[in-house]
Amino acid sequence: EIVLTQSPATLSLSPGERATLSCGAGQSLRRHFLAWYQQKPGLAPRLLIYDVSSRATGIPDRFSGSGSGTDFTLTISRLEPEDFAVYYCQQYDSSPLTFGGGTKVEIK
Amino acid sequence: QVQLVHSGAEVKKPGASVKVSCKAFGYTFTGYYVHWVRQAPGQGLEWMGWINPNSGDTNYAQKFQGRFTMTRDTSISTAYMELSSLRSDDTGVYYCARVPCLTTNCSPENWFDPWGQGTLVTVSS
Repeated sequence: EIVLTQSPATLSLSPGERATLSCGAGQSLRRHFLAWYQQKPGLAPRLLIYDVSSRATGIPDRFSGSGSGTDFTLTISRLEPEDFAVYYCQQYDSSPLTFGGGTKVEIK
Repeated sequence: QVQLVHSGAEVKKPGASVKVSCKAFGYTFTGYYVHWVRQAPGQGLEWMGWINPNSGDTNYAQKFQGRFTMTRDTSISTAYMELSSLRSDDTGVYYCARVPCLTTNCSPENWFDPWGQGTLVTVSS
């Protein structure tokens, strides 16, 4: 099983600032199969990024994904008020599918 | 519009079983794998397994093998998950989610889009 470790657990930032979220994999994702989701309280997760860096339909271009091997990053270039939420990475490189523990982006 | 709609919240006693439904709208139900994901209160996401709605083939996460069953009814475009011998730590929100591509040309192990709204299952004596 591929363990995904997200850091930091909580990120305290102000609107307009840049957010950098990390996702580390316990072994290399050789097929680059990693996705990012945003989840707000009481709602289902929403797909943001798939295949490491492809934005899902309707996702603003302030969201970007990058990385390879075992180190992956979700960047939000300028935080909007609606971006404060919890973010999860997910690998589908091998079964079983696994998720990271999440990073909460909160208003400073 | 592609949408997955869950059945309502459930309250069950320890040892009981629960069956949650996930009805598909806006696409050909049999064409896309459906997965189930659990989220305990205040916790992260945990993958449970997938079903091929066309063939009925399933794949379960090892942790859930034995107590967890996925089925489907193609006549009403609905997927089901049933969890038996419920314990208090089964409390959580159960989500269904669809993979983005047809079963005929993509892996069942994929990203998820869209997700259903989730069903809260509470296990309490």
